[in-house]
Amino acid sequence: NAGVMQNPRHLVRRRGQEARLRCSPMKGHSHVYWYRQLPEEGLKFMVYLQKENIIDESGMPKERFSAEFPKEGPSILRIQQVVRGDSAAYFCASSLYPGQRRNTEAFFGQGTRLTVV
Amino acid sequence: EDQVTQSPEALRLQEGESSSLNCSYTVSGLRGLFWYRQDPGKGPEFLFTLYSAGEEKEKERLKATLTKKESFLHITAPKPEDSATYLCAVQAGAGNMLTFGGGTRLMVKP
Repeated sequence: NAGVMQNPRHLVRRRGQEARLRCSPMKGHSHVYWYRQLPEEGLKFMVYLQKENIIDESGMPKERFSAEFPKEGPSILRIQQVVRGDSAAYFCASSLYPGQRRNTEAFFGQGTRLTVV
Repeated sequence: EDQVTQSPEALRLQEGESSSLNCSYTVSGLRGLFWYRQDPGKGPEFLFTLYSAGEEKEKERLKATLTKKESFLHITAPKPEDSATYLCAVQAGAGNMLTFGGGTRLMVKP
C-alpha cells in the first residue's frame, strides 16, 4: 500500500526556467493538497484539488504558479520563470473525506526540494 | 484568520524525562486538530486527530489531549528516536486545508 509519491525528490533549476513537481496520491484518495515549506518557516497551504477541479487556491501566489489534477495521472504543481525565492520544500498530501467527521487526516509525501540557482 | 502557536520552539530532554508540548489555537469552527512528526529531510508523518474538547488519543509513548483553546502532546519516558519536529495543525470552518503551527523541535539525549 504505497503512500503519497512525489517526484523528483530534488530539483535544481536556473532562474527563469520552469519547474514541474509531480504527486501521486494514496490509493483511493481523490483529494490532493500542496504545501510549501520555506527554509526556517512552517508549512503553508497553497492549493486544494480534486480530480479535474481546483477547489481552493487561496494560498497560491497569483503569478507563475499553477496546479492541476487531471482525470488520469498525477497532480502537477508548475512554477514558471522560477526565482531564488521559490527555493523551498514542496509537499503534497492526500486525504479521503476531508469534509466528514472521520478519516479527515491528510497523509504527506516526502516532498520535492527545489533549489533555484 | 486561523492562528496556531506551538511552544516551546525547541525542547531538550534527557532520555526518560517526560514532558509536554503545547499547541494553542484561535479558529472559527474547529473541525479537527492534527499532530504530525517530521524528521529532517522527510515529509510530515501523521500521528493523531482530535475532534472534540476532552478527547484523548495515545500511541506508544505519546498522548494527545484537546481543550477548547489548546492541545498538548505528552511524551512519557522519551527515547532518542523520539527526536524530531512535532507539528500541530487545525482544520476549521468551510475550508479543508490545514493551518500549521511553527513546530516544536524535540531533542532527546541518551
